[in-house]
Amino acid sequence: DTEVTQTPKHLVMGMTNKKSLKCEQHMGHRAMYWYKQKAKKPPELMFVYSYEKLSINESVPSRFSPECPNSSLLNLHLHALQPEDSALYLCASSQGQGGRGSETQYFGPGTRLLVL
Amino acid sequence: GQQLNQSPQSMFIQEGEDVSMNCTSSSIFNTWLWYKQDPGEGPVLLIALYKAGELTSNGRLTAQFGITRKDSFLNISASIPSDVGIYCCYSGGGADGLTFGKGTHLIIQP
Repeated sequence: DTEVTQTPKHLVMGMTNKKSLKCEQHMGHRAMYWYKQKAKKPPELMFVYSYEKLSINESVPSRFSPECPNSSLLNLHLHALQPEDSALYLCASSQGQGGRGSETQYFGPGTRLLVL
Repeated sequence: GQQLNQSPQSMFIQEGEDVSMNCTSSSIFNTWLWYKQDPGEGPVLLIALYKAGELTSNGRLTAQFGITRKDSFLNISASIPSDVGIYCCYSGGGADGLTFGKGTHLIIQP
């Protein structure tokens, strides 16, 4: 099983709303990632969690708040977003435990976010 | 992060033709990954390469990790309509995330 699931698939929110994106994997992976992808562009790394601890924050605005409740779940809490934050948000996971293939990332289907 | 040089940017081919695309970098990497991404969907892993010179197949897809560790190619044989999409090379990996190409957009003409 190499499946990463994400919910919701689509999300429309106003600039004053608070919403959350969810990501789940049951592959025993210990590294999980959030990416933001604009149309026709490669994904941009936002956050990396390693063993449930935030290891990388790529200077993401505080209106994006990640959370890793356990090794299988990753959330991205959204608050007071701007229209330019509209994008495809991708979650990924990797083994993250060293050794061959440990860095290979498996992506979820993404959440298409529209901020009005 | 930095980007890989992926070419061609787009390909217009006839169904049944073979396809070849490649990625190059000025840096040495230990991993090369090829993904396919449909619009609005997440990238799907096609082939993973972990050793210089490694040649790996997945059905009609074949990819190779260059000997210099600075390049990789992906071939698709006997293309079919469902091969349409954007093919992306990714490299590196680990806690710093991935370095990625801009993608090759494959369009198949009937």
